[in-house]
Amino acid sequence: DSGVTQTPKHLITATGQRVTLRCSPRSGDLSVYWYQQSLDQGLQFLIQYYNGEERAKGNILERFSAQQFPDLHSELNLSSLELGDSALYFCASSVEAGGPLGEQFFGPGTRLTVL
Amino acid sequence: KNQVEQSPQSLIILEGKNCTLQCNYTVSPFSNLRWYKQDTGRGPVSLTIMTFSENTKSNGRYTATLDADTKQSSLHITASQLSDSASYICVVSLSGTYKYIFGTGTRLKVLA
Repeated sequence: DSGVTQTPKHLITATGQRVTLRCSPRSGDLSVYWYQQSLDQGLQFLIQYYNGEERAKGNILERFSAQQFPDLHSELNLSSLELGDSALYFCASSVEAGGPLGEQFFGPGTRLTVL
Repeated sequence: KNQVEQSPQSLIILEGKNCTLQCNYTVSPFSNLRWYKQDTGRGPVSLTIMTFSENTKSNGRYTATLDADTKQSSLHITASQLSDSASYICVVSLSGTYKYIFGTGTRLKVLA
């Protein structure tokens, strides 16, 4: 158990809908990262927050947005969902902002299925 | 273009045998390289992390090597166990940024 929690574990929804994925980092970790992993694909970095501020952006679609709250938990909002958005969404956290030795600890993931 | 390529894409070995997974990268400027193990449907777990000045790092039966000149890394698994069946992901981070480039992984299957 990495100490990172994600809810829900599974989510099934329809195209065009909007969902929110939630992540609680390990106690003491200030940085949160979001990743998307489609079937048989590698992890794609979406976005990183550090202590409430956006720190880095990856291949995140405009339909997706995220935020990190004062209690350091984070939410990833996915809107106007398409079939291709079906994937595993992982959250990771680290103590620092991701410097040279900033190890990331991954949560168990949320499996999103868009029908 | 910053890329991380892993080989082989998949590998099947018998329990007790050794194996070596490869990672080649074109990421520049390079900060560090990490190997993760990901069980099916679960989050990745860190195995090793190396900066450019480190040539080798071990974690139990896992030994990672890094050649920063040729931009190659390998992960050697000794005396494989059934529980080693997983995907192994190589991740390289860009110096001066907070960006990480992920390889697509090598899927290892260990058979009894």
